[in-house]
Formats: sequence, C-alpha cells, structure tokens
Amino acid sequence: EIVLTQSPATLSLSPGERATLSCRASQSVDNYLAWYQQKPGQAPRLLIYDTSNRATGIPARFSGSGSGTDFTLTISSLEPEDFAIYYCQQRINWPPMFGQGTKVEI
Amino acid sequence: EVQLVESGGGVVQPGGSLRLSCAASGFTFDDYAIHWVRQVPGKGLEWVSVIRGDGGETYYAESVRGRFTISRDNSKNSLYLQMNSLRTEDTAVYYCARDWAFDTTGYTFQHWGQGTLVTVSS
Repeated sequence: EIVLTQSPATLSLSPGERATLSCRASQSVDNYLAWYQQKPGQAPRLLIYDTSNRATGIPARFSGSGSGTDFTLTISSLEPEDFAIYYCQQRINWPPMFGQGTKVEI
Repeated sequence: EVQLVESGGGVVQPGGSLRLSCAASGFTFDDYAIHWVRQVPGKGLEWVSVIRGDGGETYYAESVRGRFTISRDNSKNSLYLQMNSLRTEDTAVYYCARDWAFDTTGYTFQHWGQGTLVTVSS
C-alpha cells in the first residue's frame, strides 16, 4: 500500500499569510491525489481532486500542485475559517489511503 | 443539495454487532458508489468499504474484511454497514461518503455525512 506523509504536522500562521502544505507518497500516485479540509466536530470537505482541480464551491485561494510523489496544497491568503486540519488522499492504488494530516493553527 | 445522514451508532461490547445506516437525498442514488470512512476521535481517516451504485461490487479494507458487510437498498436511497465481531479498535466515527464519479468508483469522496460514533467497550 502507498503511504502518504504530510508535513509539517502543525503550521502556525496568521490570517492573511500564505500556507504551504506538503504531501509525499511512498511511490508514484501519478496525479491521483486529493485534499480535504476538516474543522473540529465536522466531516471532511473535499477541496482539491486529481492534484489541482478545485471542487465545487471551493474558493480560488486554495490551489494544488505536484505530480508523482510530491504534492503541495497552497492557501494564498489565510482566512479565519481556513484554520483546520488538512488531509491528502491517493486513489491510484488500492486501498485508498489518507495522510496523517496537517493542522493549520493561528 | 446532496445530503447524507448516518444513524445507528452507539455503545457495544467487544464481540457484539451493530448496523449503521446512511440515508441519502439530493441525487440519483443508484448512479453513485458510496463509501464508509471512519475516524478514531482525534486521529486520521481510514477508508473502510465501498459499494457500487448497482450494488454489484463491494470492497473492504483488510482490517474489516470478513466482519463487516456493506449493502444498499436503492428503492429506499439507503446504505448500510453491518458490523459483526466488533473490536475495541473499531471505535470511531463512521462517515458515509458519496463518490465523485458518475456510474463508476473513483475513490474520491465528494460528499460526506455528519458521521455516527461507534464505541466498542466493555
């Protein structure tokens, strides 16, 4: 199975700053990588699918990039509602696996 | 609006059984695969199982295979997860999640329910 390693574990930033989250796969996932946001007490929400495609209703400040084994989620300017945990997930290899998450905190 | 509402969680002893349900609305139910994904409180996400739109194919994570059974009733727009031989490590919030892909299984989770907590404890 493919292991996804996210870094850093915690990212401490202020509103308005740029956030850069990393997801590294133990083997190539081509471009079949998604990103989810989860706030306390809520279900995850799909942000990005297949590396760089924003899901419906996701603001343009969220962008994804990468290929193969190295991927990045960028939040260009943090809004107060963006402080949450972010998970990456691969779907090229069965079973689908999630990373362990990056917490973006104030 | 797509809605998924889970129910059936609760406290059960090790070795016991529980049946979770997921009621869906806002889309053509049998056009989409539906998954169960679980999350130990305070921990990460783990994919559990999937069933195709027509119910013809099912797949399970290694950790639950042989103990859990996923099913669906397309006439009732409902998904189920029968959990038998429960273990303490099955304690988690269980989410149902609709696949993003139409008429196939894409393993990207586009819509999620609010989750139901299953606690396995003596």
